[in-house]
Amino acid sequence: DAMVIQNPRYQVTQFGKPVTLSCSQTLNHNVMYWYQQKSSQAPKLLFHYYDKDFNNEADTPDNFQSRRPNTSFCFLDIRSPGLGDAAMYLCATSRGTGLDTEAFFGQGTRLTVV
Amino acid sequence: RKEVEQDPGPFNVPEGATVAFNCTYSNSASQSFFWYRQDCRKEPKLLMSVYSSGNEDGRFTAQLNRASQYISLLIRDSKLSDSATYLCVVNSPGNNRKLIWGLGTSLAVNP
Repeated sequence: DAMVIQNPRYQVTQFGKPVTLSCSQTLNHNVMYWYQQKSSQAPKLLFHYYDKDFNNEADTPDNFQSRRPNTSFCFLDIRSPGLGDAAMYLCATSRGTGLDTEAFFGQGTRLTVV
Repeated sequence: RKEVEQDPGPFNVPEGATVAFNCTYSNSASQSFFWYRQDCRKEPKLLMSVYSSGNEDGRFTAQLNRASQYISLLIRDSKLSDSATYLCVVNSPGNNRKLIWGLGTSLAVNP
């Protein structure tokens, strides 16, 4: 059974039209991450939550926002998608305690901007 | 110097071959090390955590060399299904929650 679930798997949005990607987890992990991955590149961390504590990466554009209303759910909001935001968006979770930081990934949402 | 460096490959090997990947990391204070596998257009999946003493899981062996700051992954008796990108991942010292990813090494196992 999937433990980290992302919806939708594929999302097509218009240039400049706000879009929201969702992630849910059944692992009860403290930490939830959002990564952006483009072709032939490593996953790039956008931000993460430790419980309700939000941690933004310094180079994450303001165009990207996130919400975590409870332990199980986390959302990625792209306020005004540009063509350069087309990518795979990966949600991951981890226990985030001690050295046990193995990340569990959802299947990703592939975003296309037209 | 990049925080985590890998040879991008591609490595093309025949079935049954043994292949090894290395990964170097820049911060000697890193404590957690992982190998992830990623298939084309899929999410990364944990292959192995890497422990100080080294660890083995079937055909896969991971080693950590703290003195030289590298980790390795050895795949024996390669299968066609091993074709994938192998990503080296290291935790960020001082912030265990943050993982630093290598760009990955591409492996193609050929019949």
